[in-house]
Amino acid sequence: AQRVTQPEKLLSVFKGAPVELKCNYSYSGSPELFWYVQYSRQRLQLLLRHISRESIKGFTADLNKGETSFHLKKPFAQEEDSAMYYCALSGSSNTGKLIFGQGTTLQVKP
Amino acid sequence: DTGVSQNPRHKITKRGQNVTFRCDPISEHNRLYWYRQTLGQGPEFLTYFQNEAQLEKSRLLSDRFSAERPKGSFSTLEIQRTEQGDSAMYLCASSPFANTEAFFGQGTRLTVV
Repeated sequence: AQRVTQPEKLLSVFKGAPVELKCNYSYSGSPELFWYVQYSRQRLQLLLRHISRESIKGFTADLNKGETSFHLKKPFAQEEDSAMYYCALSGSSNTGKLIFGQGTTLQVKP
Repeated sequence: DTGVSQNPRHKITKRGQNVTFRCDPISEHNRLYWYRQTLGQGPEFLTYFQNEAQLEKSRLLSDRFSAERPKGSFSTLEIQRTEQGDSAMYLCASSPFANTEAFFGQGTRLTVV
């Protein structure tokens, strides 16, 4: 079964602290993994995808196929990073449909 | 705003009534997706279109739900005989191709009383 698990509902850190949002997936083929972010009162938007291997707003995520993980990391959290983060998987069926995790609220305290 | 547009933004309806939501995707995006999001959960896939063809429906989409995308432009999602369990945020997304960035609308929040 295809599944995305984000074990933490809430992650609270102080400004300047490192951040790691965990994401584990279950998929038998070669998935594409994404991180989507939703800032307060804004729509869901793409943050980054594993295939592009970019760093966006200081965030990076590495696909670890052995551990079936795609954790999101940032070395120094900023207050403006406070948002809801969703890890999502797109399978190899070429439909483009996304399977989302439950989401993690990141709260960065001043 | 030239992004994905959804209307209405909020809908309150009595149990048993029918409701219809509209989604206007980004122009020239072939793919259009509907998702449902309940409190504390991530979005769940409902159905998707490539142009006017509805290519996949989730088992979450009961017989009371129907979606259309006439002419491959805007899409409508209708729920007949609404139930309290239908209360959720309904999200629409579009993309130019499969497995590219999906652009989401702001959603329609449905409350069934």
